[in-house]
Amino acid sequence: DIQMTQSPSLLSASVGDRVTLNCKASQNIKKNLNWYQQKLGEAPKLLIDYTNNLQTGIPSRFSGSGSGTDYTLTISRLQPEDVATYYCYQYDSGRTFGGGTKLELK
Amino acid sequence: QVQLHQSGAELAKPDSAVKLSCKASGYIFTTYYISWIKQTTGQALEYIGHINTGSGRTNYNEKFKGKATLTVDKSASTVFMQLSSLTPDDSAVYYCTRRGDLFDYWGQGVMVTVSS
Repeated sequence: DIQMTQSPSLLSASVGDRVTLNCKASQNIKKNLNWYQQKLGEAPKLLIDYTNNLQTGIPSRFSGSGSGTDYTLTISRLQPEDVATYYCYQYDSGRTFGGGTKLELK
Repeated sequence: QVQLHQSGAELAKPDSAVKLSCKASGYIFTTYYISWIKQTTGQALEYIGHINTGSGRTNYNEKFKGKATLTVDKSASTVFMQLSSLTPDDSAVYYCTRRGDLFDYWGQGVMVTVSS
């Protein structure tokens, strides 16, 4: 099974900061990776699919990149409404979520 | 608009079973698979499996084979997941989602609590 490791598990940042969340797969997943945002008490929400395809309605401050085993979600200028837990997820072989990065305001 | 509406919270005893439902609306039901995801209180998300809503064919995460059974009622645009032989480890929030890979729309989630 492919394992997905996210880092850091907790990230504190200030409004306006550039924030980078990391996700590492245990083997090459060929960009078959999505990012989800989950706010407290809500269902996860799809932000980005296939590494860097921003979903309709998602602010352009969110972007994704990566290849092989290493992937990144970047928020260019953090906003208060971005406080959430972010999960990466691979569907290249089986389907596996990362453990999540909890993003909070400093 | 696309909506997935899940049935209400369940309180079940160990060794019993529950059957959760997920009713889809706002799109052609048989066009997309429906998947189920488990989220424990530790926040971890696990893929349980998905069902082809047109054919009824299913695909399960090995971990959930024998635990979860997915079925579909096309006439009601509804997918069901039965969880059997419940243990406290099955206590979690269960989400239905659209598609077998992308998970683009999610239900509101249903909490299942297993306790004697």
